[in-house]
Amino acid sequence: QQPVQSPQAVILREGEDAVINCSSSKALYSVHWYRQKHGEAPVFLMILLKGGEQKGHDKISASFNEKKQQSSLYLTASQLSYSGTYFCYNNNDMRFGAGTRLTVKP
Amino acid sequence: DTAVSQTPKYLVTQMGNDKSIKCEQNLGHDTMYWYKQDSKKFLKIMFSYNNKELIINETVPNRFSPKSPDKAHLNLHINSLELGDSAVYFCASSQGHSHTGELFFGEGSRLTVL
Repeated sequence: QQPVQSPQAVILREGEDAVINCSSSKALYSVHWYRQKHGEAPVFLMILLKGGEQKGHDKISASFNEKKQQSSLYLTASQLSYSGTYFCYNNNDMRFGAGTRLTVKP
Repeated sequence: DTAVSQTPKYLVTQMGNDKSIKCEQNLGHDTMYWYKQDSKKFLKIMFSYNNKELIINETVPNRFSPKSPDKAHLNLHINSLELGDSAVYFCASSQGHSHTGELFFGEGSRLTVL
């Protein structure tokens, strides 16, 4: 089963924050996050390998709760360049979540 | 140099035809993948090869046949194309089959079946 992402879509104004959640009914040993801009290929953002691990990438960070089989992506002080579709990826079975479309408006 | 390259970028063809998409990576990775992305942006794993050996073959019609002549190449051949095959097909590669390597994607091949 693919990971479940929420919300499906979110619209923000520049400078606002957002959280994207990812959960799996299957074991999550590690989680990747990717961003795909319109008409482009997905691009790797970060990988979380251990339960409880938090990673950061500029103003984008993520956490991973292995026990709950959940990961969350945090986007703070969003910029126009953050717009795109965000996917979580279960490394265990190579499946992507359905994606969260993020739109940042001026 | 493009890390993962796919050709062609666009294919427009009639139902019933056969087509191929080629993929090459110059990253020295040992694992390659084909993903299908439909109109709703859902990315579905189709095949995965590790060192030229098939390791994942999802529920994909047998009209789809991957071929990996060497570690750097993974081609996709599709027979008897159907309307539902219209999608963007992404090739990707990663280092290792231990599932820790990030995926590097090609630019995608947009297939339109008329």
